[in-house]
Amino acid sequence: QKEVEQNSGPLSVPEGAIASLNCTYSDRVSQSFFWYRQYSGKSPELIMSIYSNGDKEDGRFTAQLNKASQYVSLLIRDSQPSDSATYLCAVNFEGGGADGLTFGKGTHLIIQP
Amino acid sequence: GAVVSQHPSWVICKSGTSVKIECRSLDFQATTMFWYRQFPKQSLMLMATSNEGSKATYEQGVEKDKFLINHASLTLSTLTVTSAHPEDSSFYICSAYDRVDYGYTFGSGTRLTVV
Repeated sequence: QKEVEQNSGPLSVPEGAIASLNCTYSDRVSQSFFWYRQYSGKSPELIMSIYSNGDKEDGRFTAQLNKASQYVSLLIRDSQPSDSATYLCAVNFEGGGADGLTFGKGTHLIIQP
Repeated sequence: GAVVSQHPSWVICKSGTSVKIECRSLDFQATTMFWYRQFPKQSLMLMATSNEGSKATYEQGVEKDKFLINHASLTLSTLTVTSAHPEDSSFYICSAYDRVDYGYTFGSGTRLTVV
């Protein structure tokens, strides 16, 4: 059974602080991992992808992957009110592009001004 | 970057009618496209995988005769919701895999309301 688990929140973080979003997945051999941001009524937009254990940084965002623990996280530094959205963790369990993504239910993040 | 265009962005139809949604990859060839459905307050659920020139692969619980998928070219996939009913009202989103960028790009979504 392919499962991706996220805390639905809401997660409330003061502006300027670090927001930490977590995700666990069910299959140890999963290949690729994605974080998407979704505003209400809109389609998801890719924030970051990560494929190897460790950290990957892109601007204010850092993705962390620990395959042994089947855990992936997203850190948002210097949080801004515009970061308020639902953050979706997605996993490609099979690898390659022939298979779709399995999404978690998303974490609703609120950045308080 | 890769762009996926999806039309229409919203549609209202009467119960019993059919609705077609188009998904186009604008600047890359997509041999594989995916169709997702999202109900309010829920996450995206993969409905089917659309393969160019062959039959789509449907996820468990998705009626293939109700949700017709056609992927006739490397840049176009269509989803037709046949004999739509109010319970089919949802946000439908397509996605394409770009083999160059190794990434999944999403269309802007179609809000379907069946009345």
